[in-house]
Amino acid sequence: DQQVKQNSPSLSVQEGRISILNCDYTNSMFDYFLWYKKYPAEGPTFLISISSIKDKNEDGRFTVFLNKSAKHLSLHIVPSQPGDSAVYFCAATTSGTYKYIFGTGTRLKVLA
Amino acid sequence: SQTIHQWPATLVQPVGSPLSLECTVEGTSNPNLYWYRQAAGRGLQLLFYSVGIGQISSEVPQNLSASRPQDRQFILSSKKLLLSDSGFYLCAWSGQGDEQYFGPGTRLTVT
Repeated sequence: DQQVKQNSPSLSVQEGRISILNCDYTNSMFDYFLWYKKYPAEGPTFLISISSIKDKNEDGRFTVFLNKSAKHLSLHIVPSQPGDSAVYFCAATTSGTYKYIFGTGTRLKVLA
Repeated sequence: SQTIHQWPATLVQPVGSPLSLECTVEGTSNPNLYWYRQAAGRGLQLLFYSVGIGQISSEVPQNLSASRPQDRQFILSSKKLLLSDSGFYLCAWSGQGDEQYFGPGTRLTVT
């Protein structure tokens, strides 16, 4: 049972445009969500997170939106840059459980 | 600032050989520690996590084991590797907050 799903394995976007990466979850107990960026042969790098008490969190070019009723979150990158090309993972946890559940990732390619 | 180290970076081992991967964290105390595996083309699978010395929780039954002999040291082991153990192994830590931070990873190839 996959509790965190990233249904788009890949996404291509033109440089300067907006990239939207989506993530769905099934466990209503999740109360904290994270996005990571991963380059090949490297560990994931933490990008941005959001608590379930919020519906939006912004950090520079990155904004995460949370729709609790739909159990859906998205990461917006604007403007997209070629250096953003990587695999993006969303993750979810329930505070205090120490367990993080990851999606399968979306490979973003930003075309120059 | 906190730093997480993993070694070795790459490893090629024959089937049936033992395994020991080490992870250490600097700049924090009593971290929660994690081992993940990323198989080719797959997501991150949680293997083990630890909330304190000697406390190990296993998420997936397999021929791997984990130990935490010191507060900031986490070791992943196997007595006999299988071909299916090949993958990219990642150590991570989390502290008081809910963010989790990853090490550089170890690429294991079992031949």
